[in-house]
Amino acid sequence: RKEVEQDPGPFNVPEGATVAFNCTYSNSASQSFFWYRQDCRKEPKLLMSVYSSGNEDGRFTAQLNRASQYISLLIRDSKLSDSATYLCVVVPDYGNNRLAFGKGNQVVVIP
Amino acid sequence: NAGVTQTPKFQVLKTGQSMTLQCAQDMNHNSMYWYRQDPGMGLRLIYYSASEGTTDKGEVPNGYNVSRLNKREFSLRLESAAPSQTSVYFCASRISLGDSGYTFGSGTRLTVV
Repeated sequence: RKEVEQDPGPFNVPEGATVAFNCTYSNSASQSFFWYRQDCRKEPKLLMSVYSSGNEDGRFTAQLNRASQYISLLIRDSKLSDSATYLCVVVPDYGNNRLAFGKGNQVVVIP
Repeated sequence: NAGVTQTPKFQVLKTGQSMTLQCAQDMNHNSMYWYRQDPGMGLRLIYYSASEGTTDKGEVPNGYNVSRLNKREFSLRLESAAPSQTSVYFCASRISLGDSGYTFGSGTRLTVV
């Protein structure tokens, strides 16, 4: 089983709509979780960390479900500028310096 | 505040040529990483350096060597380039605490013909 799995999509979303997607991870000892955003032909950039209590940053909400070992990202009121690939990133366990990446969820916001 | 700087941004090599990709960070991060990204494959770890003076293999190390020159700099060398090494290469750095993510460089687009 892969460390981090994501449905690549694409997720075609009408402008103004809400889109949500999940990422599952295999290592139950994983401690830290992140969502990164990657635009076409650019480097990944940190979108937000994911905390146990969940967190929100403007139109973006991230949730963690440890029991089922998945994290989620929800984007409300989608903008054209939200079109990108969203990478799920997991720190497998403390002391391990290597982060595990999913292949990404591709979001295309349609006018 | 430059963050992570990679050079060159683009490179075309002939099969069998060698080259070194340079990476430097100015954030006083302990750990540095080299990834490659290919269509449909996601990011794959080539080598990483948890701290100055140490390097470790990642998922796809064959055909590459690395040098952690000092805390700031981490270079990736292709000794004899092959077409299979055509890819986008990203350098990244991290503080090495459990709750920190990566900062990426802007990437090097390498084509081997």
